[in-house]
Amino acid sequence: SAVISQKPSRDICQRGTSLTIQCQVDSQVTMMFWYRQQPGQSLTLIATANQGSEATYESGFVIDKFPISRPNLTFSTLTVSNMSPEDSSIYLCSVGDRGNLKGGYTFGSGTRLTVV
Amino acid sequence: KNQVEQSPQSLIILEGKNCTLQCNYTVSPFSNLRWYKQDTGRGPVSLTIMTFSENTKSNGRYTATLDADTKQSSLHITASQLSDSASYICVVSLGTFGNEKLTFGTGTRLTIIP
Repeated sequence: SAVISQKPSRDICQRGTSLTIQCQVDSQVTMMFWYRQQPGQSLTLIATANQGSEATYESGFVIDKFPISRPNLTFSTLTVSNMSPEDSSIYLCSVGDRGNLKGGYTFGSGTRLTVV
Repeated sequence: KNQVEQSPQSLIILEGKNCTLQCNYTVSPFSNLRWYKQDTGRGPVSLTIMTFSENTKSNGRYTATLDADTKQSSLHITASQLSDSASYICVVSLGTFGNEKLTFGTGTRLTIIP
């Protein structure tokens, strides 16, 4: 199955600043997603990263706050803009992976973000 | 609203013992049910996937069962090991691969003590 490298693994940021998270996949994938996992909560889909076009955002998430780039089939970035303490969370990249016979979706290790 | 509820929220057992985690869902109809294991500080790793027509699926010491009539699934872990300490997440989906809507449970936090 696909191998995902997500960077940074963790960061502590000042409120009002922005952080860009990178997701690199070792093979070309059509589907790439960004999730948020708040403490004690389930995973929530932020958006689907579309190669060559604008990302598709879920209800409650907007491009101005979470701009996403997907320049090719192996790479995507998620930016968390104008951060506040409420943005403290784990952010996860995921890909649709037909090689993953146990589930079909492979996740990166996540980025643990703390906003102070 | 489609929901996935897991119980218990947390569980502590002795190494070598068996345990069963529960998942109740209201997603209907649904296509697939997955169980994921998430180690602390890591992303979820898939354990099993079942379609609505399957009753059981095994992956080593992990066995998932599904009762689509009662909308319940369980994950049974046999002969637990310290490395089984993790959160276990139940995920129910609607749609076909490539166009699925996934609904995640909040997970069961399992701790194995020696």
